[in-house]
Amino acid sequence: EVQLVQSGAEVKKPGESLKISCKGSGYSFTSYWIGWVRQMPGKGLEWMGIIYPGDSDTRYSPSFQGQVTISADKSISTAYLQWSSLKASDTAMYYCARHPLGPWGQGTLVTVSS
Amino acid sequence: NFMLTQPHSVSESPGKTVTISCTGSSGSIASNYVQWYQQRPGSAPTTVIYEDNQRPSGVPDRFSGSIDSSSNSASLTISGLKTEDEADYYCQSYDSSNRGVFGGGTKLTVL
Repeated sequence: EVQLVQSGAEVKKPGESLKISCKGSGYSFTSYWIGWVRQMPGKGLEWMGIIYPGDSDTRYSPSFQGQVTISADKSISTAYLQWSSLKASDTAMYYCARHPLGPWGQGTLVTVSS
Repeated sequence: NFMLTQPHSVSESPGKTVTISCTGSSGSIASNYVQWYQQRPGSAPTTVIYEDNQRPSGVPDRFSGSIDSSSNSASLTISGLKTEDEADYYCQSYDSSNRGVFGGGTKLTVL
């Protein structure tokens, strides 16, 4: 079974760093793009960026360029999304997805509050 | 900036057919693939159509996708509507730099 399993919910303070993960299984992890998507409370989906684990080619949406870092470790079939300094406005659900055909991860809820 | 515009909401009765549109703001929507995602309340999205008209394994053939170059639009058609199809639907494509873009989402009510 092809699946993506994301790391658990996080509660952080403004200014803290964070790295969340997305582990793929059941398929060749290096052969498909992995995308990251943000969904703020009650809002629609926002494209953050995408990585090809085979060669680490990474592309960011202009809104997220410089705000987050997307990476992947193909040796453990895991993609990452990280922040160096969180803001309250980063509070959201974050999804990874094998692109373009799926599946999607279950989501990681990130809460940033003082 | 490239944008995708969807109707805010649509509604239809069980057993009927509904079509959700997704219109590109510039360029040719046919130049890049379009995907469609379903998101039920409280759940992660799932892919129902990729690369314009391909269905992932497990998605019923009641779901179909198409492109209309004349209107610069993509469409998702769901036939034989079921109450379980009630969800938010998002289209997604790419801008001229191959960066992903989502439409604003369409709430489908099956009543």
